[in-house]
Amino acid sequence: DAGVIQSPRHEVTEMGQEVTLRCKPISGHDYLFWYRQTMMRGLELLIYFNNNVPIDDSGMPEDRFSAKMPNASFSTLKIQPSEPRDSAVYFCASNPDGWSSTDTQYFGPGTRLTVL
Amino acid sequence: KQEVTQIPAALSVPEGENLVLNCSFTDSAIYNLQWFRQDPGKGLTSLLLIQSSQREQTSGRLNASLDKSSGRSTLYIAASQPGDSATYLCAVSPTEPGAGSYQLTFGKGTKLSVIP
Repeated sequence: DAGVIQSPRHEVTEMGQEVTLRCKPISGHDYLFWYRQTMMRGLELLIYFNNNVPIDDSGMPEDRFSAKMPNASFSTLKIQPSEPRDSAVYFCASNPDGWSSTDTQYFGPGTRLTVL
Repeated sequence: KQEVTQIPAALSVPEGENLVLNCSFTDSAIYNLQWFRQDPGKGLTSLLLIQSSQREQTSGRLNASLDKSSGRSTLYIAASQPGDSATYLCAVSPTEPGAGSYQLTFGKGTKLSVIP
């Protein structure tokens, strides 16, 4: 398996523009997570899905952020309009569904977003 | 709200030295604790996962311990090598499968440099 795939790897945009980050989870994993990592705040959970359904979006910072999972193999995180404080590395991760205490999350390589 | 703290934020050691990384958490009601490794520009890779009923886990030169009652975990690395240089993060998940057990709370990490 290729692991969790994210695109683009780097994104530079100007304030006010729309940004769309993409993620393909590991095949067969029923949980998908979006995280944001900054030096100040560390790694924060934004939202996660189970079987394509958003379960908890309490970490989404503002209405400018939205996430979708139209099918089991694809998810997007959209920021509209983007602001300089959104600059961060955004990670996608997936997790098999087994209610097992030994399950772990598998992370993608991240998308480094810079908003000028 | 669960808070995870890792001290020190950075550590530099000569090759061959044994070392300990520390992690503390404020709420002892956890489901499991994990240690992750993050290399520059890459995602996180799970190293060790300790279930709440366990006290330690070992993988090669790595040994992680868990003391739930005191809210502490340590990651012991034996005979450190330059290839161990990375940022190490610990993360805890809340209790009860299905009740957000996949919602990890991360520390900000310890950046380890092993000097040849």
